[in-house]
This record gives sequence, C-alpha cells and structure tokens, in this order.
Amino acid sequence: DTGVSQNPRHKITKRGQNVTFRCDPISEHNRLYWYRQTLGQGPEFLTYFQNEAQLEKSRLLSDRFSAERPKGSFSTLEIQRTEQGDSAMYLCASSLMNEKLFFGSGTQLSVL
Amino acid sequence: DQQVKQNSPSLSVQEGRISILNCDYTNSMFDYFLWYKKYPAEGPTFLISISSIKDKNEDGRFTVFLNKSAKHLSLHIVPSQPGDSAVYFCAASFGGSQGNLIFGKGTKLSVKP
Repeated sequence: DTGVSQNPRHKITKRGQNVTFRCDPISEHNRLYWYRQTLGQGPEFLTYFQNEAQLEKSRLLSDRFSAERPKGSFSTLEIQRTEQGDSAMYLCASSLMNEKLFFGSGTQLSVL
Repeated sequence: DQQVKQNSPSLSVQEGRISILNCDYTNSMFDYFLWYKKYPAEGPTFLISISSIKDKNEDGRFTVFLNKSAKHLSLHIVPSQPGDSAVYFCAASFGGSQGNLIFGKGTKLSVKP
C-alpha cells in the first residue's frame, strides 16, 4: 500500500496561466475525491468520482475547474486562467466505496 | 456560513492528561461525524467516527461523544502523548457519507512532555 500520491507537491504560477495536478489513488479504491484547503480553514469538498464517473460537484467548482478520471484510476484537476484566489492546498483522497477517506499530502498552489 | 464550528484554534495539554477537543454544528440533518488528524506537510488522517444513532464511540485512547440536542460533539484523548500534537478537524456529513464531508477549521493540539 503506497498510499495516495499527488504531483506536483508545489506549483507556482502566474495569474492567467493554466495548471494541472495529478492524483494516483490507492490501487483498489474505486472512489476518488478532490478537496481544497486555504490557510486557517478546513478542507472543502470539490468533487468526487466513482470509477470513471464524476458523481458530484460542489458549487465551489467554477467553470474554470475541470476534473477527470479517464480510466477509473488516476485523476487530474485542471484550473484554467488561474486567479490569486485559487491559491490553496489541493488535496486528493480515495476510498473503497463509502469507507473512510485516505488523503494524499496535497499540491500547494501559489498564484502570483 | 460555517455549518461545523471548532471555536478553539488551539489547545495545550500536559503529557498524560486528558485532551478535550470540541465541535459544534448547526445543521440537524447531519447524521455522521468524523475526526481527522493532520500533521504538517501531510494530508489528514482518519481518527474516529460516530453515527447520529449513537452517543459514544471509543477506540483505544480516543473517545468521541455526541450530544444531538446540543448539536455538539467532543473528542477525548486519554492519556495524551506528545505524538498526538497535530491539528484536529471535526467533520460532518449527510446520509452516512464518509466522503463528501464538511469540515471545521481545526484545533491545533500541543501536548507538552
């Protein structure tokens, strides 16, 4: 069990650029979640997949955000035309059906 | 509007004593509650949970108490150890979900030797 892996660990970008993050879940887990955490706050739910199907999206997930899980394994989260308010820790988690979440260490995004 | 509130940003406890972390919620439709622990530079780690049909759940040194009438839950750690020093997040969900969670802001626990 190698745990949930997220890449990159840190990303610095300029406002207006596009960024993409990758998450590799625990191999047998069929559910994959994306959360966002800003300084001094708890994680906020963004979206989740069951296998390759995106089943739920938060209203926090604006049109500039898109997530995919093409083969039901790894997932990518893309942010287009980044804004300074997108600066946050992006956390990925996976689970086996409705069991407890296992989180990765996150990708820290800084938008300058 | 914060639906899950952890009003104490920090707590300091002596090793061996009890740590009590508190959490309040506003939505009476929540039916599942969880505690996660987070060390610096790591993702949150599941600690313990409780369904709304129970008022207590215990796992080793960790006990969670739920008071539905007061919309309040607490996490007790006995005895506290220096390795327990971390940020503790309270979370709640609907429909027994363990995935789509609403988190509080967290409480930083420091256990001093």
